[in-house]
Amino acid sequence: AQSVTQLDSQVPVFEEAPVELRCNYSSSVSVYLFWYVQYPNQGLQLLLKYLSGSTLVKGINGFEAEFNKSQTSFHLRKPSVHISDTAEYFCAVIPSYQGAQKLVFGQGTRLTINP
Amino acid sequence: DAGVIQSPRHEVTEMGQEVTLRCKPISGHNSLFWYRQTMMRGLELLIYFNNNVPIDDSGMPEDRFSAKMPNASFSTLKIQPSEPRDSAVYFCASSLWTSGGGETQYFGPGTRLLVL
Repeated sequence: AQSVTQLDSQVPVFEEAPVELRCNYSSSVSVYLFWYVQYPNQGLQLLLKYLSGSTLVKGINGFEAEFNKSQTSFHLRKPSVHISDTAEYFCAVIPSYQGAQKLVFGQGTRLTINP
Repeated sequence: DAGVIQSPRHEVTEMGQEVTLRCKPISGHNSLFWYRQTMMRGLELLIYFNNNVPIDDSGMPEDRFSAKMPNASFSTLKIQPSEPRDSAVYFCASSLWTSGGGETQYFGPGTRLLVL
């Protein structure tokens, strides 16, 4: 079975400051990794995902994440945040073997951007 | 593309009533997922379908919950009878499932259910 731990439930940041949202996972098999964003009163939207190749993955809205297999981490970063980045962010994993479809989500990190 | 469509967006009902949530997946997608989101339990997968066939319903909380997918463009999640602890946001998501894995799931806006 897989599990995902998002180390911070809330992260307050000032506008234009950098931010890192931390995600660690546990799995006995190889996994694919995802970051989703949920804006207030909306559904989840994919920010980025890691399937293979370069461990640094770039996503939408200036976000990027780095897969670290030895540390079983997939932290999300943005060098300069905007008010519009205020949202909840979810890390998720899925086994990489054929046929796997069940995403396992972390509990989410609420990112609040202060002016 | 219209995205995943869910209805209703909000539902308020009384304990014991039947509730039906509806979902229209993205055209051409062959997998459909129902999730429930609560503060206490986060995001939970309830059930998913491939090509209209239920594959895994191990997340369905109990027999009061049922889901159907009569065709590729429509699915329902029914709660009968509803209870206050069913209050949550219910999301539908769809994806284009291939053998490669790692497909992106596209989420609808959710149905916010309140059972009084």
